Amino acid sequence: GQSLEQPSEVTAVEGAIVQINCTYQTSGFYGLSWYQQHDGGAPTFLSYNGLDGLEETGRFSSFLSRSDSYGYLLLQELQMKDSASYFCAVRDRSHQAGTALIFGKGTTLSVSS
Amino acid sequence: DVKVTQSSRYLVKRTGEKVFLECVQDMDHENMFWYRQDPGLGLRLIYFSYDVKMKEKGDIPEGYSVSREKKERFSLILESASTNQTSMYLCASRTEDGLFGGTEAFFGQGTRLTVV
Repeated sequence: GQSLEQPSEVTAVEGAIVQINCTYQTSGFYGLSWYQQHDGGAPTFLSYNGLDGLEETGRFSSFLSRSDSYGYLLLQELQMKDSASYFCAVRDRSHQAGTALIFGKGTTLSVSS
Repeated sequence: DVKVTQSSRYLVKRTGEKVFLECVQDMDHENMFWYRQDPGLGLRLIYFSYDVKMKEKGDIPEGYSVSREKKERFSLILESASTNQTSMYLCASRTEDGLFGGTEAFFGQGTRLTVV
């Protein structure tokens, strides 16, 4: 089966940089995704890493190390609107050739002024 | 604008009732999913479908069934609702892009179901 571990909560101040880690155990690996969910909202896609290295999208970057079964989401120049839950997710090989996405339990990020 | 629409935002049902949660997507996606979200447990996969009439159990299928008669519509059925099925239910869809595809999943706004 699959398991993903990420911290349950992270706090930071506006303008700071925060890193949310995710370690995973999977029977087959097809890449790591990140999703953001604001209170009362739907999860929305942030990034995907299929290969090792850093992917940058504006203030957000995501990193993957397949040899370490580890990835992280880096949020820079934090703003109050970044307060949300962040989920890492992997494709699940045990279901229909990796069709399904399996999510971690989520990290709640609180940004204060 | 791509859209996944869930039929109800809030629903209150009685124990033992049969409950239908409907989800429609307008993106012609092959794959559709039902998750439930509970505090501290993240999103847990109940069932998913990779084609019309095709379905597969997720991690927590007990007490649920699904139906996909048309490509755009995926229904979650609670055969006999119980209080432990009180939760937020999220539908999602995603195109089929191969094993290493990183195409995003699109989520509906969720249905908050309360079973009393």
